[in-house]
Amino acid sequence: RKEVEQDPGPFNVPEGATVAFNCTYSNSASQSFFWYRQDCRKEPKLLMSVYSSGNEDGRFTAQLNRASQYISLLIRDSKLSDSATYLCVVNRYNDYKLSFGAGTTVTVRA
Amino acid sequence: NAGVTQTPKFQVLKTGQSMTLQCAQDMNHEYMSWYRQDPGMGLRLIHYSVGAGITDQGEVPNGYNVSRSTTEDFPLRLLSAAPSQTSVYFCASSLLPGNEQFFGPGTRLTVL
Repeated sequence: RKEVEQDPGPFNVPEGATVAFNCTYSNSASQSFFWYRQDCRKEPKLLMSVYSSGNEDGRFTAQLNRASQYISLLIRDSKLSDSATYLCVVNRYNDYKLSFGAGTTVTVRA
Repeated sequence: NAGVTQTPKFQVLKTGQSMTLQCAQDMNHEYMSWYRQDPGMGLRLIHYSVGAGITDQGEVPNGYNVSRSTTEDFPLRLLSAAPSQTSVYFCASSLLPGNEQFFGPGTRLTVL
């Protein structure tokens, strides 16, 4: 079983819609969680960290569910510029190795 | 600040050739790492370094070597290229492994 699994999508949504997707992780010792954004043929960039109590950054909301071992990302009022692949990243405490999901592709259409 | 730089951007090799992918960062980060990204798969860690003179293997180290003689540079060497090494390679750096990773623009490598 992969350490981090994501629904590859694609999620095709109209502008202004809300889209949400999850990422599951297999190691219960995981401590740090992140969402990265990757545009086509570009390098990944940090979108937001995910905190235990959940957190928002503008139109983006991230949640962590330790009991079910998943994190989620919700995008409100989608913009064309939100079209990208979103990578889920997990890190175990004191582990130098990050685990990346394969990504969820979101396409926002006009 | 240039951040993380990688050269070359594109490279085509023949099977059996060797080459070095360059990576440099100017943020004084101790932690640096190399990943490869293949279609349908997440980034997979090849090698990483927690400081000058210290390197360790990641998930897929076979066929690759690294060294870290300075804080700034972390080159990746392909010893004898194979078609299975066709991929996009990203170098990343961060203050600590659990902190934000800053990625270079990537090297697109094709091995014929």
